[in-house]
Amino acid sequence: GAGVSQTPSNKVTEKGKYVELRCDPISGHTALYWYRQSLGQGPEFLIYFQGTGAADDSGLPNDRFFAVRPEGSVSTLKIQRTERGDSAVYLCASSLGGYRGRNKNIQYFGAGTRLSVL
Amino acid sequence: GDSVTQMEGPVTLSEEAFLTINCTYTATGYPSLFWYVQYPGEGLQLLLKATKADDKGSNKGFEATYRKETTSFHLEKGSVQVSDSAVYFCALTGANSKLTFGKGITLSVRP
Repeated sequence: GAGVSQTPSNKVTEKGKYVELRCDPISGHTALYWYRQSLGQGPEFLIYFQGTGAADDSGLPNDRFFAVRPEGSVSTLKIQRTERGDSAVYLCASSLGGYRGRNKNIQYFGAGTRLSVL
Repeated sequence: GDSVTQMEGPVTLSEEAFLTINCTYTATGYPSLFWYVQYPGEGLQLLLKATKADDKGSNKGFEATYRKETTSFHLEKGSVQVSDSAVYFCALTGANSKLTFGKGITLSVRP
């Protein structure tokens, strides 16, 4: 597609439920990132994929959060047993990736999924 | 670890005023520096970047210079427009690929 696509744009769930957030990166981008943006704050890194593998998952807050990218394109962020503190905008970004120069790592963002946990 | 500090906001200016938004950073090695902008109702967009010391990034009349000696990347525009009203984020990528963002600052431009 023309840009990074995230679905759904809004998700309302109840405390304790399971949610999945989807990201479809720019075609040909091998690197994919997830960030979380709380109200009034800048985005915070969660996890980074290069291809199918998670190259850095140091930002995942706890083991309730998990992400996959099985075919190296679409990624799903999964949150188990949601808590009210998980409410935020979840952003996905993609870049060309690789190590062929810094311009290859410019990240392009989707519009985000606003998650509300009641 | 890496960090980015932005001046406190919000900032309100009249149209055609001069804009400076301060940004300083802490990072090991040689980070790349970015300004991202978020217009109302839209996603984050890259505004400009600089990848090494003394580089100047520019776009849409905005400029920022990578100052290694002061670890700064201040954003400037000589004459702001109402359409520049948005939230501005300073960010860096360090030795790893992840972006580290500042808190962001809201700019409102009055006609």
